[in-house]
Amino acid sequence: ILNVEQSPQSLHVQEGDSTNFTCSFPSSNFYALHWYRWETAKSPEALFVMTLNGDEKKKGRISATLNTKEGYSYLYIKGSQPEDSATYLCAFKAAGNKLTFGGGTRVLVKP
Amino acid sequence: GAGVSQSPRYKVTKRGQDVALRCDPISGHVSLYWYRQALGQGPEFLTYFNYEAQQDKSGLPNDRFSAERPEGSISTLTIQRTEQRDSAMYRCASSLGTGPVGELFFGEGSRLTVL
Repeated sequence: ILNVEQSPQSLHVQEGDSTNFTCSFPSSNFYALHWYRWETAKSPEALFVMTLNGDEKKKGRISATLNTKEGYSYLYIKGSQPEDSATYLCAFKAAGNKLTFGGGTRVLVKP
Repeated sequence: GAGVSQSPRYKVTKRGQDVALRCDPISGHVSLYWYRQALGQGPEFLTYFNYEAQQDKSGLPNDRFSAERPEGSISTLTIQRTEQRDSAMYRCASSLGTGPVGELFFGEGSRLTVL
């Protein structure tokens, strides 16, 4: 069983503040780490796919880092806006294996 | 079509009936995944295919659940003798390749309600 954990489960952020949250995954047999954004009543959409230790990816105000040796990834949101409110899902892929999702971090940005 | 298409979008059935959920992936996508998602939870893996080969079915809850992708394109998830605990959103996703960087494209899901 692959254990992919996300913390916190939920967080409230004031508009304009920055925030970050964690995805932890097995440090062995690493192949890729995915981040998805999921808005209620919609389907999850890919944000980043990272494969190399030390990878950093950025899309607008959202960025992610990856540490495969210790098995964690951070997602950062800079200057949060109400439209950033969503559940952020990470997913771990082991070599030759399935993509396993964490439980998600639900972000609510308050105006 | 441009995206992953799932049907039916909503299915209400009585306990004990069989249901079949269909997924039509993006054309040319090699990998196809089935997930089950409870309200407010992350997707729970059920099974996945590369082309027509079922690579992993370890997430199927029991032998009432089965999936096939006979021609490497459209896939069907079948639940026999449905039970109330099978009620959930069933999501299909496809990716272009089998490698690490293949992001998943999700369908809109099939919401199953078992009465």
